[in-house]
Amino acid sequence: DVKVTQSSRYLVKRTGEKVFLECVQDMDHENMFWYRQDPGLGLRLIYFSYDVKMKEKGDIPEGYSVSREKKERFSLILESASTNQTSMYLCASINGGNSYEQYFGPGTRLTVT
Amino acid sequence: QKEVEQNSGPLSVPEGAIASLNCTYSDRGSQSFFWYRQYSGKSPELIMFIYSNGDKEDGRFTAQLNKASQYVSLLIRDSQPSDSATYLCALGFSGGYNKLIFGAGTRLAVHP
Repeated sequence: DVKVTQSSRYLVKRTGEKVFLECVQDMDHENMFWYRQDPGLGLRLIYFSYDVKMKEKGDIPEGYSVSREKKERFSLILESASTNQTSMYLCASINGGNSYEQYFGPGTRLTVT
Repeated sequence: QKEVEQNSGPLSVPEGAIASLNCTYSDRGSQSFFWYRQYSGKSPELIMFIYSNGDKEDGRFTAQLNKASQYVSLLIRDSQPSDSATYLCALGFSGGYNKLIFGAGTRLAVHP
């Protein structure tokens, strides 16, 4: 079974802090994704990566950056956390090729106060 | 217009009934369609995918795809209280990178 893990289930940070969310997958997947999920808005893509050190902006990249130094690890960085970044953050991975079947991590519920 | 539209619900059905969840989309280039189930406080899990027009059955679940009309639906037969969850429709982005575009989800409540 594919396993996608995220560094924290719950996180509370203060406004202005730099926040790191980490995601690790153990299936040698090519592509990894970061989403945020808010009530009524569904899943919105923040950033994704299709290879080591390669990244692409999603639909809502403002206020975020990412890092992918190793194939199995994809980090989401909130440069200066703000209260409107309070959300559920979900990481997903996929093998690439013709597959679109994304596997999700358990999610990190981030609260910025 | 959103790229993937779903009725937010809640859709309330009695136990044992058929639950019908619908989704419309605007990207005519999309070739693959997915249904994810998400329990409250949990992450989405893939339950069905469909690539061709018509029906695809898997146990109590049937996915239906009509590309000409740009809709995809999920039928759940013999609904159980354990099916109560939010169901997310997603389609494979035709522009590459194996991206998925998600709808906002329909909340299903199955009552005994």
